[in-house]
Amino acid sequence: SQQGEEDPQALSIQEGENATMNCSYKTSINNLQWYRQNSGRGLVHLILIRSNEREKHSGRLRVTLDTSKKSSSLLITASRAADTASYFCATDGKGAQKLVFGQGTRLTINP
Amino acid sequence: DTGVSQDPRHKITKRGQNVTFRCDPISEHNRLYWYRQTLGQGPEFLTYFQNEAQLEKSRLLSDRFSAERPKGSFSTLEIQRTEQGDSAMYLCASRLTANEQFFGPGTRLTVL
Repeated sequence: SQQGEEDPQALSIQEGENATMNCSYKTSINNLQWYRQNSGRGLVHLILIRSNEREKHSGRLRVTLDTSKKSSSLLITASRAADTASYFCATDGKGAQKLVFGQGTRLTINP
Repeated sequence: DTGVSQDPRHKITKRGQNVTFRCDPISEHNRLYWYRQTLGQGPEFLTYFQNEAQLEKSRLLSDRFSAERPKGSFSTLEIQRTEQGDSAMYLCASRLTANEQFFGPGTRLTVL
């Protein structure tokens, strides 16, 4: 079963615009991780945010975490066609060793 | 390339046949995971090893599935008597302690 939900399920924007994806989860976590997956390929790790962190940046990526609301968001600024992919959040729960994934957001960047 | 490799990348088999997949993790990573992903869904956890010990198995892992990690290095996932419902992408990941998991490219299984 999936831990959380991602919103929206699909997002289509123009190149250069910003893309925001949201993730909600249900149980306490150690950290939350975001991954990118191009069609039919493996997952690429983007960023990890720990439960005691509220915001983290990596290049054009900005991730926020609100543990009181059990939610996270991923912002991609100045989007590029190469950002077209599915994006997944995954929670690493307290005492658990496995990642629990959401269903993902399919992002399409139109040139 | 994350450093995690999987073989084969694609496998087509007939229903009832056995298949085996291999995963080679990043060499210093002591934790190895198997996940299954069906079309349009996020990956779902199957099983996890710390060194050679299999510490957790999902209820998704029926008795037709078996995984091993001899010597705590590479791992194999075997599916016996495959069914059409086993068609999916099988993903392997590894990590060191409580840090990010690095995924391999996956093995896409098609059961005819």
